[in-house]
Amino acid sequence: EDQVTQSPEALRLQEGESSSLNCSYTVSGLRGLFWYRQDPGKGPEFLFTLYSAGEEKEKERLKATLTKKESFLHITAPKPEDSATYLCAVQFTGGGNKLTFGTGTQLKVEL
Amino acid sequence: GAGVSQSPSNKVTEKGKDVELRCDPISGHTALYWYRQSLGQGLEFLIYFQGNSAPDKSGLPSDRFSAERTGGSVSTLTIQRTQQEDSAVYLCASSLSGYRQETQYFGPGTRLLVL
Repeated sequence: EDQVTQSPEALRLQEGESSSLNCSYTVSGLRGLFWYRQDPGKGPEFLFTLYSAGEEKEKERLKATLTKKESFLHITAPKPEDSATYLCAVQFTGGGNKLTFGTGTQLKVEL
Repeated sequence: GAGVSQSPSNKVTEKGKDVELRCDPISGHTALYWYRQSLGQGLEFLIYFQGNSAPDKSGLPSDRFSAERTGGSVSTLTIQRTQQEDSAVYLCASSLSGYRQETQYFGPGTRLLVL
């Protein structure tokens, strides 16, 4: 069965304390892996798309990487404004255009 | 430019009533998607439109749920005879052409509470 699993469910960091969020997937053929950020009461905001193993993308303090089984979202020297829920989603062969989401990692960055 | 908009922002209804949720996609986007986000469940796909046609309705949970899109733009998701388990945030997304691997941009959602 095609699945997307994110860990940890919740993460609390001190400002400046770098860490990584994990998204592991078991799909029949990955077409794309997407990272979104969601703030309370708002819709998901697009961050990155990764298409093939070995690919990396960066934006400010965030860096996303992809292997054949998982993706990591690395957060370097986070700030309180990075606090949000980070969602991972995949498109896979036979899944059409829909995104299949993980349940997210709730990140809180404290001063 | 303007993003995806949804209305109403919040909707409270009584069990058994029908509700209509509206989505305005980004101008020029031909693909439109509906998702549902329930507590502890994550986002679940409901339906995908390419223009006015819906080639993938596989996520609609029951025949109480239906959706249409007119003029290749606005879409309406209708839930008939609402049940308490329908309470969730309903999110709409759009993408430029519906090409796979294309970024889907989300609206703010409609929060539905069925009493």
